[in-house]
Amino acid sequence: AQSVTQLDSHVSVSEGTPVLLRCNYSSSYSPSLFWYVQHPNKGLQLLLKYTSAATLVKGINGFEAEFKKSETSFHLTKPSAHMSDAAEYFCVVSGGGYQKVTFGTGTKLQVIP
Amino acid sequence: NAGVTQTPKFQVLKTGQSMTLQCAQDMNHEYMSWYRQDPGMGLRLIHYSVGAGITDQGEVPNGYNVSRSTTEDFPLRLLSAAPSQTSVYFCASKSGANVLTFGAGSRLTVL
Repeated sequence: AQSVTQLDSHVSVSEGTPVLLRCNYSSSYSPSLFWYVQHPNKGLQLLLKYTSAATLVKGINGFEAEFKKSETSFHLTKPSAHMSDAAEYFCVVSGGGYQKVTFGTGTKLQVIP
Repeated sequence: NAGVTQTPKFQVLKTGQSMTLQCAQDMNHEYMSWYRQDPGMGLRLIHYSVGAGITDQGEVPNGYNVSRSTTEDFPLRLLSAAPSQTSVYFCASKSGANVLTFGAGSRLTVL
């Protein structure tokens, strides 16, 4: 069984300040973990993925996430928010092969000018 | 370089009508899936397929049918639409590296 919990449904930051979007997961095997971003009225785009290589994963647009097995966390960070980062972000856990993909409920990021 | 193509982008139905949401991918992915997205609920899996001729139910399959006659196509059928099926629907295929590629979405309203 697997699950994913995004701890904040909304996060608001000022432009130029750091971003932290929190995600905890549970899994009975070694999971793959992903962050996807969805801009308004758009589809979902892959930001980054963790697949048991380096625990610090770098993605597109300056985002990165750190896999912490002891804390079962995969938080998404960015040093400096940009207005274009305003979107909804989804944390996703998946088993290998054709195993089930489970989405978190999403975190809406607001960036204040 | 089309990726995953969904049609239509928008559809309005009356209760009881039927329709098919089309999904096609050109990446030769074996795994394809349909999700619905509702506010505050993330994406929920409706049906998925691990190859031509093989389909299985996800979390919320009731009211939906699927078939997979070819690797490329994975249509989603609503047999008798209900207002509870008003949602945004996403088709996605998955690579061997376990990465999902999504279509642009289909917004369905059932009156």
